[in-house]
Amino acid sequence: DQQVKQNSPSLSVQEGRISILNCDYTNSMFDYFLWYKKYPAEGPTFLISISSIKDKNEDGRFTVFLNKSAKHLSLHIVPSQPGDSAVYFCAASANYGGSQGNLIFGKGTKLSVKP
Amino acid sequence: DAGVIQSPRHEVTEMGQEVTLRCKPISGHDYLFWYRQTMMRGLELLIYFNNNVPIDDSGMPEDRFSAKMPNASFSTLKIQPSEPRDSAVYFCASNVLGSHNEQFFGPGTRLTVL
Repeated sequence: DQQVKQNSPSLSVQEGRISILNCDYTNSMFDYFLWYKKYPAEGPTFLISISSIKDKNEDGRFTVFLNKSAKHLSLHIVPSQPGDSAVYFCAASANYGGSQGNLIFGKGTKLSVKP
Repeated sequence: DAGVIQSPRHEVTEMGQEVTLRCKPISGHDYLFWYRQTMMRGLELLIYFNNNVPIDDSGMPEDRFSAKMPNASFSTLKIQPSEPRDSAVYFCASNVLGSHNEQFFGPGTRLTVL
């Protein structure tokens, strides 16, 4: 059973438009969420994160929204650029008492931004 | 900093052979993680170490898999004997406590077992 789900395997967006990538989770103990970006033949790289005490975090063109009641988070990229074409992974962790928690990853969404 | 270093980048071997994957974490990082990525299961954690000590190996699929971290700058993941279903990309990652789980990944080793 997947604790972190990315139900869209792929997404295609026109350059300049908004990309919205979605992620759902089932474990209510998760208190920290991260998005990673992965190019072919490279390892995932950290993009942006959000704590469960917030509902939004913004970093330049990237914004992550968290809806705890729905156990849902989304990554918005505005405006989308061809260089954003990559696989995006959603990840979640439960840090008990400040100790290091494991990251649970979704299966990823492949974003293609067309010029 | 060179980032997390993994070797080899590609490994092709025959079923039954021993395979050893290597990882050098970022200097100063006290956590090291081994992941496996497959189409079916996505990115799954195999084992992680804290200060060279294995903390959670519940993700290691079978006794054929073993991992060691003899010192703070080196870790190995060994598969013996290897099977075709072990074919996957294996990633190593590292971080420090207090980094909110922002893990830094290596480029991965693509393993093909024939």
